[in-house]
Amino acid sequence: AQSVTQLGSHVSVSEGALVLLRCNYSSSVPPYLFWYVQYPNQGLQLLLKYTSAATLVKGINGFEAEFKKSETSFHLTKPSAHMSDAAEYFCAVSDMGGTALIFGKGTTLSVSS
Amino acid sequence: GAVVSQHPSWVICKSGTSVKIECRSLDFQATTMFWYRQFPKQSLMLMATSNEGSKATYEQGVEKDKFLINHASLTLSTLTVTSAHPEDSSFYICSAPGAKGQGNTEAFFGQGTRLTVV
Repeated sequence: AQSVTQLGSHVSVSEGALVLLRCNYSSSVPPYLFWYVQYPNQGLQLLLKYTSAATLVKGINGFEAEFKKSETSFHLTKPSAHMSDAAEYFCAVSDMGGTALIFGKGTTLSVSS
Repeated sequence: GAVVSQHPSWVICKSGTSVKIECRSLDFQATTMFWYRQFPKQSLMLMATSNEGSKATYEQGVEKDKFLINHASLTLSTLTVTSAHPEDSSFYICSAPGAKGQGNTEAFFGQGTRLTVV
């Protein structure tokens, strides 16, 4: 069975600081991995996805994530945080295209000025 | 990219009444639709999978008689919360797998519906 663990339910950074949101997965097959952002009372917006191509994936809004098979990780980073990055972030996994996603519990990112 | 339109975005209903939530795939055919529920400050949990022309598949612990799912066409899936109670208050989100052009790895989400039962 697949699962996703997001370490840290809440991460606080200063504006301009590095953002690092951690995600570890468990999967018996090569996974598809996703990062989504959610603003209050809104749906999900895809930031980036890994589908067995390049291990370093660049997404929207300056975010990127690196797939590390040896560490079963897919951490999300951004070099410089903006106030507008404050939101809820979800890591998700699926075992193949077309199946439902399994979500982590989410990490709330707070950005202070 | 593909768009999934979900309506309504929010609804308040009285306890004991039923509420219908619609998800439409606007520019592609969705033979499958996933329905998730999200409680405040929690993650998204898969409730059920609807398939066009066949019965929905429900996850363990989800009451199929309470959460009625219909997928009558390739562009429309509906979730009806029957005899709603305050504990059904939640954020409901639908999601359709991407069209074949995206290699079927994409998932397209509706905007979500905030249901409040009073």
